[in-house]
This record gives sequence, structure tokens and C-alpha cells, in this order.
Amino acid sequence: DAGVIQSPRHEVTEMGQEVTLRCKLISGHNSLFWYRQTMMRGLELLIYFNNNVPIDDSGMPEDRFSAKMPNASFSTLKIQPSEPRDSAVYFCATGLAGVNEQFFGPGTRLTVL
Amino acid sequence: QQPVQSPQAVILREGEDAVINCSSSKALYSVHWYRQKHGEAPVFLMILLKGGEQKGHEKISASFNEKKQQSSLYLTASQLSYSGTYFCGTENDIMGDMRFGAGTRLTVKP
Repeated sequence: DAGVIQSPRHEVTEMGQEVTLRCKLISGHNSLFWYRQTMMRGLELLIYFNNNVPIDDSGMPEDRFSAKMPNASFSTLKIQPSEPRDSAVYFCATGLAGVNEQFFGPGTRLTVL
Repeated sequence: QQPVQSPQAVILREGEDAVINCSSSKALYSVHWYRQKHGEAPVFLMILLKGGEQKGHEKISASFNEKKQQSSLYLTASQLSYSGTYFCGTENDIMGDMRFGAGTRLTVKP
């Protein structure tokens, strides 16, 4: 079975540009988590969904960040406009609600110049 | 609220033991342990649910003290492959809102 799929794996963009990160859930999973990892701040939970519904977005840094689940198997995290301080590795993780083990994708390394 | 991990870093010789601690200021529903190798994604090790149970995974085990809101990860007879950063993640309820600690960097040397 395929694991969590994230794309792109690397993204380099200029300040002010829109960035869209994508995540495909493991088949059958119904929880989706977006994390951001930096040396300074560690692994931060940005937002999570259960059954396509956003449960907690209190970790989203500001209005420039938005996340969606257009269907049960796919999610996007959008940053518009991007800033250099958004540079980080962004992970999505999926799981089964109530079971709580999370399977992480390989991550997207974002660099904003 | 983010749990607190200690120590921040530990260096071992192959075959030595280590303990990594994780504590929370709030009542815990569950504690998760993950290991992340450099440049890779975190990988799930084990989960401990409310109830004070202990779990094991080969030579890696963990305990959960509900009253003290603490968990400890025990690595015995460490191997080179154990090197990496260990994160504890804590949930305060069943909703899945997990927060990770800052991590403990473990280095095992020959």
C-alpha cells in the first residue's frame, strides 16, 4: 500500500508568491494533520481534520495560511503571500480517528527567498 | 500545550542504556513516541493510553504515569540504528489534537 504522498518535495519561491502544498492520505484514513518543522520552533501542529472537517486550526500562524480537504483523500495547504519566515519543512500526517497513530508523509521543504 | 522533554541531547556508546522523559502540565489522555532520523519524516514507535500501561518494542519500551502526567522512553542496549531525534506527542483528549515536545537528540557511537 502507498504511504502518505506529499508534493512537491522541494519548493523554492520568492517572497510574495502563492505556494500550494499537497497531501494524499493513506486509503481508508480519515484524520489529516498538517505540521511545520523548523530548528527554532520544532514540530508545530498547524491544523487537523477529522472526516474532512477542520477540528482545530489554532496553530495556523496567520490569515496567509489556509488548508482544505476537497475530498476524503486529498488536502492542500496554501500560503498566500509567502514570506521568508515561512521557510520550513511541512509534513502532513494521516491516521484513523480514535486510533491516534499518525503516519507522516516525506515532507515538503519550502524555501522562500 | 507543548510537553516538556528532557534531556535535550544524549550521547551513548553502543550497548548503553538511555531514558528520555516527557512531562505535561495538563492531564493526559495519551502519549505518543516518534523517532526522526536526519532528513526523514518522524516514524511512530508506540502509543500509551490513559491507564498507566507500559509498552515495549524490541529493546525500546515506555511507561506512562497518569498521576504525574509523565511518560518515559527506555532504550536498552542501544544500537547505532537508534540514533535520531525522539519526540513525545501528547493528547489531552480523544479528539486527536496532539502537541509535540521539542525533541531529544540521541547519538549512539560505536
